[in-house]
Amino acid sequence: AQTVTQSQPEMSVQEAETVTLSCTYDTSESDYYLFWYKQPPSRQMILVIRQEAYKQQNATENRFSVNFQKAAKSFSLKISDSQLGDAAMYFCAYRSAIGTASKLTFGTGTRLQVTL
Amino acid sequence: GAGVSQSPSNKVTEKGKDVELRCDPISGHTALYWYRQSLGQGLEFLIYFQGNSAPDKSGLPSDRFSAERTGGSVSTLTIQRTQQEDSAVYLCASSLQTGKNIQYFGAGTRLSVL
Repeated sequence: AQTVTQSQPEMSVQEAETVTLSCTYDTSESDYYLFWYKQPPSRQMILVIRQEAYKQQNATENRFSVNFQKAAKSFSLKISDSQLGDAAMYFCAYRSAIGTASKLTFGTGTRLQVTL
Repeated sequence: GAGVSQSPSNKVTEKGKDVELRCDPISGHTALYWYRQSLGQGLEFLIYFQGNSAPDKSGLPSDRFSAERTGGSVSTLTIQRTQQEDSAVYLCASSLQTGKNIQYFGAGTRLSVL
């Protein structure tokens, strides 16, 4: 079974600075997808960024980018120019690309605080 | 169209009562998922439906939990004889198909069992 580990329960960053959230995972599969979801107080999970394991290039979405290290099974999220609206819980998630096993396996989350 | 809709937003019930949670997926999405988020935890997979295929029930924690999806659209998650440990946020997601398509989430139902 796959597992996802987020070792930072809480992180804090000053507005306009850069922060990196860590995520590691364990799998024996070679083809899979990795995600970062944001959960604000409204509870709705919002997709931040997605990485396909067979792509070596790191995904980027505006101020959000990932550092995907497949051999190390590491998938960190970098938020540049942090904004107050970035404050939320961030969850790393894994999904197999094999067959119909499409459920997401989540880490326990990192609470990000953004200070002035 | 509209996003994934869940109702009720909050539900308070007494231990031993049955509850029904509803999920209305994005129109046209053939896959529907239920997850549970306990306090301070990540999301735990419960069940998923894909088209007319048999649902994957591998995540349901006990036989008190069941779900159905009528007409390939709306889904209801039922918890019978609720226990205090069932208190959590129940999140529903839908996607166009399994594989690489993205799961879109609703805002969840917060269930409190007294």
